[in-house]
Amino acid sequence: AQSVTQLGSHVSVSEGALVLLRCNYSSSVPPYLFWYVQYPNQGLQLLLKYTTGATLVKGINGFEAEFKKSETSFHLTKPSAHMSDAAEYFCAVSGDTGRRALTFGSGTRLQVQP
Amino acid sequence: GAGVSQSPSNKVTEKGKDVELRCDPISGHTALYWYRQSLGQGLEFLIYFQGNSAPDKSGLPSDRFSAERTGGSVSTLTIQRTQQEDSAVYLCASSLFPSGLETQYFGPGTRLLVL
Repeated sequence: AQSVTQLGSHVSVSEGALVLLRCNYSSSVPPYLFWYVQYPNQGLQLLLKYTTGATLVKGINGFEAEFKKSETSFHLTKPSAHMSDAAEYFCAVSGDTGRRALTFGSGTRLQVQP
Repeated sequence: GAGVSQSPSNKVTEKGKDVELRCDPISGHTALYWYRQSLGQGLEFLIYFQGNSAPDKSGLPSDRFSAERTGGSVSTLTIQRTQQEDSAVYLCASSLFPSGLETQYFGPGTRLLVL
């Protein structure tokens, strides 16, 4: 069984500030971890993913995430927020045994204040 | 097309009517997924296709929901006797191979409102 917990349904930062969105997962098999972003009235777009290998993963738009097995975490960070980063962010997990589909967290809405 | 497309983009129906939602995956993608996004339940998996077969239907909420995929391409999600709780955005995604590590590419969704 797999599950994802995203701490904080809403996060507000100032433009230029650090963005930190938290994600913890539970998985009985080696996890594959994803961060997706959803802009209003649009589908989901992949930001980055971890499958195997290097635990620090870089994605699009300056985002990165670090897989920490000991903490079962996959937090998303960006050093300096832009107004265009305002969106909803979803962390997700999948595996190659059992369910292939993504199991999503409940999402974090990021607001960026000028 | 370049991405996953879904039609219609919006659908308003009356309680008790049947609806069909269509998904056109990225050409050549063998895996296709349906998800539902609603305010109360977040993003939920519905069904997954590998080619034309559905190895995992575990997310379908009731027997009113069914889906098929033909020619390894287009998929249709059918909801019979719609209920108000079926109101949600239905998202389709496809991936090149049916593997958990493959990136799933999402369509824009169909927003369903059941009156």
